[in-house]
Amino acid sequence: GNSVTQMEGPVTLSEEAFLTINCTYTATGYPSLFWYVQYPGEGLQLLLKATKADDKGSNKGFEATYRKETTSFHLEKGSVQVSDSAVYFCALAGGGNKLTFGTGTQLKVEL
Amino acid sequence: DAGVIQSPRHEVTEMGQEVTLRCKPISGHNSLFWYRQTMMRGLELLIYFNNNVPIDDSGMPEDRFSAKMPNASFSTLKIQPSEPRDSAVYFCASRPATSGGAYEQYFGPGTRLTVT
Repeated sequence: GNSVTQMEGPVTLSEEAFLTINCTYTATGYPSLFWYVQYPGEGLQLLLKATKADDKGSNKGFEATYRKETTSFHLEKGSVQVSDSAVYFCALAGGGNKLTFGTGTQLKVEL
Repeated sequence: DAGVIQSPRHEVTEMGQEVTLRCKPISGHNSLFWYRQTMMRGLELLIYFNNNVPIDDSGMPEDRFSAKMPNASFSTLKIQPSEPRDSAVYFCASRPATSGGAYEQYFGPGTRLTVT
């Protein structure tokens, strides 16, 4: 079956540091890949997506590239801000309606 | 545009009581999902509907849980009787009929349920 593995958190960074959150997946076929963000007390929001190999999703300074050869979709940002503090979820859609989520990675950004 | 609307945002109830959570999906979306989020188990899919029809309820924990979608603009998740272990944040999400094959879902703000 489909599965998503994310690096465990919490990840604590200083403001303006470089961020990488690793995500690898297992799926048959050619899934679509997503990153969702959840701010405290809120629901999940779609951050970015990629639908085929070598696609790069980007939004709000965050980027992730769909790497089929390494089955990865790592999230990166060049300079994080305190306001980026949240929980980040990697997810895949392998066909049909359902999404398979990772366990989430909490990011804390300090001044 | 209004997003997914959930009510109530917070619910505190006593063990044994009936709880009903409500969701209004984004207009024009034809798939609706109910999730539960806890610290211990993370995000779990409970059930989803396609065109108001339940498609997969394998995540519903037990017979105390039931969900309905009487029309395209409204769904309920009911717990009867409620138990303390049902305490969690319950999210509703919806998906449009066509989205370029990407299948992204749009989440509501959640209902925080506390059963004492």
